[in-house]
Amino acid sequence: DTAVSQTPKYLVTQMGNDKSIKCEQNLGHDTMYWYKQDSKKFLKIMFSYNNKELIINETVPNRFSPKSPDKAHLNLHINSLELGDSAVYFCASSHPGTGGFNEQFFGPGTRLTVL
Amino acid sequence: AQTVTQSQPEMSVQEAETVTLSCTYDTSESDYYLFWYKQPPSRQMILVIRQEAYKQQNATENRFSVNFQKAAKSFSLKISDSQLGDAAMYFCAYKDTSYGKLTFGQGTILTVHP
Repeated sequence: DTAVSQTPKYLVTQMGNDKSIKCEQNLGHDTMYWYKQDSKKFLKIMFSYNNKELIINETVPNRFSPKSPDKAHLNLHINSLELGDSAVYFCASSHPGTGGFNEQFFGPGTRLTVL
Repeated sequence: AQTVTQSQPEMSVQEAETVTLSCTYDTSESDYYLFWYKQPPSRQMILVIRQEAYKQQNATENRFSVNFQKAAKSFSLKISDSQLGDAAMYFCAYKDTSYGKLTFGQGTILTVHP
C-alpha cells in the first residue's frame, strides 16, 4: 500500500511545454507539500496546502501552479517549461495540521528533465 | 529565515565502525523540531530520527542517536555499528511550529566500506 504516490516517476519534455505532476496520499493527512531537489541535491520547499488551502508559497515562478482538488491530492502544473526546471520534485504529507512533531511522509519523487 | 548547514559534503566509515554527521542551524525561535532524513540511491526520503527542541534528552533510534546542543544550535547524528545499507545521502532538517515546512541542509554523502 503506497502512502504517498506520484505520477509520473519520470518526465522528459521539451522546453516551452506545459506539464503536470500528480500526487495522492492515502494516509488521511490534511497537509501536503511540494519540494524541489535540484541537480546538487538541495531540497527546498515550494508550496504547502492545508485542507485545500494554500499556506506556503515560496519564491517560485508563477509558471508553477499547485492545485488541490481535495485533501488527498495535490497536483503541480508547470507552464512554459525551462531548462532550469529540470529537477526531482517531491510531494509530502503530514497530519494533523502544520505544527507539532508530525512526520512528513514523502512520495518517491518525479524526475523532470527539460530538453 | 532559518538556515541549516551541513559542513561535511562527504563522509566515509568502515563497516561496524561509528560515524558522526554534523549539522548546525540558525533560528530565533525557541520551539522547533529537528530531523535527520536518509536518501538512498532509490531517492526515497526516509526519516531516521527526530528531536524536539524543548526536550533536553537526546533522541535515539536503535543504532542512530543525536547530540542536540540547543545553545550551540548543533544537531549531529551518530551512526553506530555502521552497515552497508546505511550508505546514502543524509539530510538534516529544521521544522518550525507554524507552517510546518522543512528547511534542509545541503546533505552529506555517507559511504560505508566493507
